[in-house]
Amino acid sequence: AQKITQTQPGMFVQEKEAVTLDCTYDTSDQSYGLFWYKQPSSGEMIFLIYQGSYDEQNATEGRYSLNFQKARKSANLVISASQLGDSAMYFCAMKAIYKLTFGKGTLLTVNP
Amino acid sequence: KAGVTQTPRYLIKTRGQQVTLSCSPISGHRSVSWYQQTPGQGLQFLFEYFSETQRNKGNFPGRFSGRQFSNSRSEMNVSTLELGDSALYLCASSLRDSTQETQYFGPGTRLLVL
Repeated sequence: AQKITQTQPGMFVQEKEAVTLDCTYDTSDQSYGLFWYKQPSSGEMIFLIYQGSYDEQNATEGRYSLNFQKARKSANLVISASQLGDSAMYFCAMKAIYKLTFGKGTLLTVNP
Repeated sequence: KAGVTQTPRYLIKTRGQQVTLSCSPISGHRSVSWYQQTPGQGLQFLFEYFSETQRNKGNFPGRFSGRQFSNSRSEMNVSTLELGDSALYLCASSLRDSTQETQYFGPGTRLLVL
């Protein structure tokens, strides 16, 4: 069984600063994918970034980067230069066979 | 390319009724997955369909069912609604839903059961 743990229910960051959202996972699978999604108050899940279990380089997508430490089973999301529009729920998820398992999420608030 | 669409966006039903939600995937995507999101339980996987076949199912009672049509559109049905079925129901699509593939989500259907 897969498990995703996000230990930060809420985080605050000042506009233009960087913030790290934590995610640890547990799986016995050798091949898996790790994803981060953003969910604004409207409810839609927006894909941010992906990291494959065999990828040696950390993934980056614009202001988003994923700090992947396989031995520690962690996949933290780093958002650089936070913007007011980044205020939302952030979910870490793991893909195994034909399903995504999500963490409980972190509510990020960006202060002006 | 159009994204994943879900209809209806909002729905109010009473206990004991049944409901059908619809999802149209991104063009060319053949895998459709459904998730239920509630404040208490978070995001939970319901089922996944590929080429009209259910390949995986979450831990939900038999009142929750789904199907996929030949054009990849999918429907999920909840019979004998309970108050606890009030939730945001999210549909996601991908090409084949391999481990490395991203699932793209629709805007969701907010169901309120009174």
